[in-house]
Amino acid sequence: DVVMTQSPLSLPVTLGQPASISCRSSQSLVYSDGNTYLNWFHQRPGQSPRRLIYKVSNRDSGVPDRFSGSGSGTDFTLKISRVEAEDVGVYYCMQGTHWPWTFGQGTKVEIK
Amino acid sequence: EVQLAESGGGLVQPGGSLRLSCAASGFIFSNYWMNWVRQAPGKGLELVGHINLDGSGQQCVDSVKGRFTISRDNAKNSLYLQMNSLRAEDTAVYYCARATRTPDNWGQGALVTVSS
Repeated sequence: DVVMTQSPLSLPVTLGQPASISCRSSQSLVYSDGNTYLNWFHQRPGQSPRRLIYKVSNRDSGVPDRFSGSGSGTDFTLKISRVEAEDVGVYYCMQGTHWPWTFGQGTKVEIK
Repeated sequence: EVQLAESGGGLVQPGGSLRLSCAASGFIFSNYWMNWVRQAPGKGLELVGHINLDGSGQQCVDSVKGRFTISRDNAKNSLYLQMNSLRAEDTAVYYCARATRTPDNWGQGALVTVSS
């Protein structure tokens, strides 16, 4: 199975400051159709995961533009340009290229 | 509005069986592959399996293969997860999620507790 490794696993941030989460895969996530199926999810305590970003850099409807995704191959990043209080929770990357789809361990974002 | 609502969770003894349902609304259910994803208490997300558009093909991960089966009824806009030979390590919140490679909408989850 493809191993997804996130870092850091814990990220204390100051309101209004930027934040960045790394996600690395053990194999290239480029699929035979040319797409790279790398997604980012946000999960607040007691809630279901919410997809933020799909196929590396496509932001979902309603997701603030302070969230951005980038990367290629095996190396991906989720950036928050200015952290707001509602951004706390756990962020997961997930690959949908190689069966079975796998998730990173999660990065817990909290306010300092 | 897309809505997914899981039901059927509860407490079951080791070795027992349980069937989860996921009722879909707000979209053309038969146009989407569907996933089941689970989350053990305090842990991360783990794919359970997925099913194709007409239900003729389903795959589950190795940890549940042979014990769990995914099915769907497009006429009823419903997804199912049949869980047999349950183990303590199957204790988790089980989510249904729309679309397979890029799951975009998730239900609220159903808690399954396997304990004697």
